[in-house]
Amino acid sequence: NAGVTQTPKFQVLKTGQSMTLQCAQDMNHEYMSWYRQDPGMGLRLIHYSVGAGITDQGEVPNGYNVSRSTTEDFPLRLLSAAPSQTSVYFCASSYGAGSGNPYEQYFGPGTRLTVT
Amino acid sequence: GQQVMQIPQYQHVQEGEDFTTYCNSSTTLSNIQWYKQRPGGHPVFLIQLVKSGEVKKQKRLTFQFGEAKKNSSLHITATQTTDVGTYFCAGPSYSGAGSYQLTFGKGTKLSVIP
Repeated sequence: NAGVTQTPKFQVLKTGQSMTLQCAQDMNHEYMSWYRQDPGMGLRLIHYSVGAGITDQGEVPNGYNVSRSTTEDFPLRLLSAAPSQTSVYFCASSYGAGSGNPYEQYFGPGTRLTVT
Repeated sequence: GQQVMQIPQYQHVQEGEDFTTYCNSSTTLSNIQWYKQRPGGHPVFLIQLVKSGEVKKQKRLTFQFGEAKKNSSLHITATQTTDVGTYFCAGPSYSGAGSYQLTFGKGTKLSVIP
């Protein structure tokens, strides 16, 4: 199993450009999520999905869109990039929640995004 | 919303010294997870604690969940250079059947001086 894969690894965008960060998992996980990591801020949840066709907002959703058409893929779209979106983006997946307790999250290797 | 606070933010220790990081939640948690992120890497799951007062050990790492399920700690005995990294705790908040959000603390960055 490849686990959770993310592309690209690095990306530089100009302000106003749009792009899609790709995330895929081959573990048949129902739950997928996107986090951004900024220095001193920990991991902040952007959007998450509990299954194909279902998405919801996290703590910092503004400026980002997601969709989940398949179990495997969960792309993150930046509509009009801003310097404040410079960050490291992690995608994660898990089986979901059993007996009310979330299962462990498997993280992808991350995408380092710079917006100039 | 739920807040998860971690202290300290940074910790520098001599190799062989002990290390502890503390995690406090603004709300009672049903469970808590701990992750480790090596420099330049991605977070990797370490453990989940579910029961009030639970203590779990993984070799030199000891994890505790408070009696009130609002705090947790990770203690490393006799640190080694391989322990370097940032340690995060994370607690869930639920928004419907099977739907939850994990809130991460800001992490404790551990440096080990050989």
